[in-house]
Amino acid sequence: AQTVTQSQPEMSVQEAETVTLSCTYDTSESDYYLFWYKQPPSRQMILVIRQEAYKQQNATENRFSVNFQKAAKSFSLKISDSQLGDAAMYFCAYRSAYAGGTSYGKLTFGQGTILTVHP
Amino acid sequence: GAVVSQHPSWVICKSGTSVKIECRSLDFQATTMFWYRQFPKQSLMLMATSNEGSKATYEQGVEKDKFLINHASLTLSTLTVTSAHPEDSSFYICSARSGRAVETQYFGPGTRLLVL
Repeated sequence: AQTVTQSQPEMSVQEAETVTLSCTYDTSESDYYLFWYKQPPSRQMILVIRQEAYKQQNATENRFSVNFQKAAKSFSLKISDSQLGDAAMYFCAYRSAYAGGTSYGKLTFGQGTILTVHP
Repeated sequence: GAVVSQHPSWVICKSGTSVKIECRSLDFQATTMFWYRQFPKQSLMLMATSNEGSKATYEQGVEKDKFLINHASLTLSTLTVTSAHPEDSSFYICSARSGRAVETQYFGPGTRLLVL
């Protein structure tokens, strides 16, 4: 079974600064997807960024970028120019790319990291 | 982007009653829906996977008779918490995946359940 670990329960950053959230995962599969989700106080889950394991290039989405190290099974999220609206709980998630099975497509989440942004 | 709704957004009920939560995909057909449970400041725990027209697949430790899941159409899945007890109080979230965009799940806004 796959596991996802976020070792930072809480992080804080000053507005306009950069912060990196850590995530490691364990899997025996070679093809999979990794995600970062944001859950603000409204508790609506919002997809921040997605990475396909077969792609060597790190995904970027505006101020959000990842450092994907497949061999090390590491998938960190960097938030640049942090804004007050970035304050939320962030979850790293894993999904197998293999089709089939009644639970195809299910996400395995890490424990989450609460990010506080100070003005 | 795709929209998933949940109803109700919050519900308070008495112990021993049953509560039904609906999850709807508003602008796409969801071949698969997932039901999660989340306690405050904790992660999402997958309860079950719901495929249209077939029985749900429950995760280990989830009581099938306690949490009844029905996925009767491509746009609607329901979770019924039967004979609810205070320990069932939680935040329940559904997500939906279309057959085409297999790599993306769209989450509902969640339902807060409080059992007195």
